[in-house]
Amino acid sequence: EPEVTQTPSHQVTQMGQEVILRCVPISNHLYFYWYRQILGQKVEFLVSFYNNEISEKSEIFDDQFSVERPDGSNFTLKIRSTKLEDSAMYFCASSGFDTQYFGPGTRLTVL
Amino acid sequence: DAKTTQPTSMDCAEGRAANLPCNHSTISGNEYVYWYRQIHSQGPQYIIHGLKNNETNEMASLIITEDRKSSTLILPHATLRDTAVYYCIVRGGLNTNAGKSTFGDGTTLTVKP
Repeated sequence: EPEVTQTPSHQVTQMGQEVILRCVPISNHLYFYWYRQILGQKVEFLVSFYNNEISEKSEIFDDQFSVERPDGSNFTLKIRSTKLEDSAMYFCASSGFDTQYFGPGTRLTVL
Repeated sequence: DAKTTQPTSMDCAEGRAANLPCNHSTISGNEYVYWYRQIHSQGPQYIIHGLKNNETNEMASLIITEDRKSSTLILPHATLRDTAVYYCIVRGGLNTNAGKSTFGDGTTLTVKP
């Protein structure tokens, strides 16, 4: 069964550093998403991406964040200058025209 | 903001059916009801979805009331591995840009031996 995959599973970085989180969506999906979950809190929507552009973004997704689909398979989330409060689980998701499927997540720890 | 209301927690005995309710009184005509679960901090796992008819798959059954204002997820024979947070989400359906999923707090289901 096709799955969304994410790398790395855990990323530790210093405050102010740039990080790139990578996702491989399910191959025939058209819509791509990033969510995050701070420890003990709800899963929060960050951004959705369709047809090589952002279709919706939340207030969390400020200028420090960017997304890219650099090739036909990968979908990336870049945080330019990480802050302590960016520490969270980051989940990628993809969908065709209906069901979203989520990846296993990347745990980002900012020190 | 989440458009669904779920109980904070529920217990279920192993081997028994777990019935998880969800209220979605403001659901729109083209919105589906989706259920996901999250075990520890793993990625949300899709369980089932439906529009107005009852649905069943290998994991669960979904019962949606006739007025579509509420639904119940049924795990017919709960196991210890079904212990998780269960999320009920309403979202645009087939052949639409169905958009983001809005997660609430969900129901923490604890299956006990």
